[in-house]
Amino acid sequence: EVQLVESGGGLVQPGGALRLSCSASGFTVSAHYMTWVRQPPGKGLECVSVIYSDGSTYHADSVKGRFTVSRDTSKNILYLQMESLRAEDTAVYYCARGQTWGVGWFDPWGQGTLVIVSS
Amino acid sequence: DIQMTQSPSSLSASVGDRVTITCQASQDISNYLNWYQQKPGKAPKLLIYDASNLETGVPSRFSGSGSGTDFTFTVSSLQPEDIGTYYCQHYDDFPTFGGGTKVEIK
Repeated sequence: EVQLVESGGGLVQPGGALRLSCSASGFTVSAHYMTWVRQPPGKGLECVSVIYSDGSTYHADSVKGRFTVSRDTSKNILYLQMESLRAEDTAVYYCARGQTWGVGWFDPWGQGTLVIVSS
Repeated sequence: DIQMTQSPSSLSASVGDRVTITCQASQDISNYLNWYQQKPGKAPKLLIYDASNLETGVPSRFSGSGSGTDFTFTVSSLQPEDIGTYYCQHYDDFPTFGGGTKVEIK
């Protein structure tokens, strides 16, 4: 079964750091476009970071310079390293799988992990 | 960045009604447009990909159409289990989502 499971969320102070993990099963993370999508409480969806199968990465302007997406091919895990966190980064963070040839559509999604940035 | 304008932001309809949601891109995105359903407390679920292709296992009352800048998502006969929020998403470059449409039963 193709599945994604996120972990690593929690409460962090403004200016702090956190690393989210997305453990994949049933497919190879490095063979697909992968993305992190976040959803602030009561709001819509925002794609924040992506990594292509060739390893190239891109980030939304809202997180550029603060967030880094990476993967561990031996463990089949996707990561999101978040630095200099702000209150507006508070959200549920989902990882999702794209296609082998590029972005395409996202399926499946993980269950999400909640990040709260607050003092 | 390509902006996606989705409307309406919410709607209330009766069971059996035909429901239509639109999504407009700020520039031509060909058919690089997907639709998702999200229920409260759950992750989004893919319904339609490449503007008009129904994902496997999704009921045939859901459909999508359009190309270029204007897209439409339709539920031909609204069912109680269809309540939730629907999002369009383009992938012409860095992917972005529409603002969402919350669907309720009248």
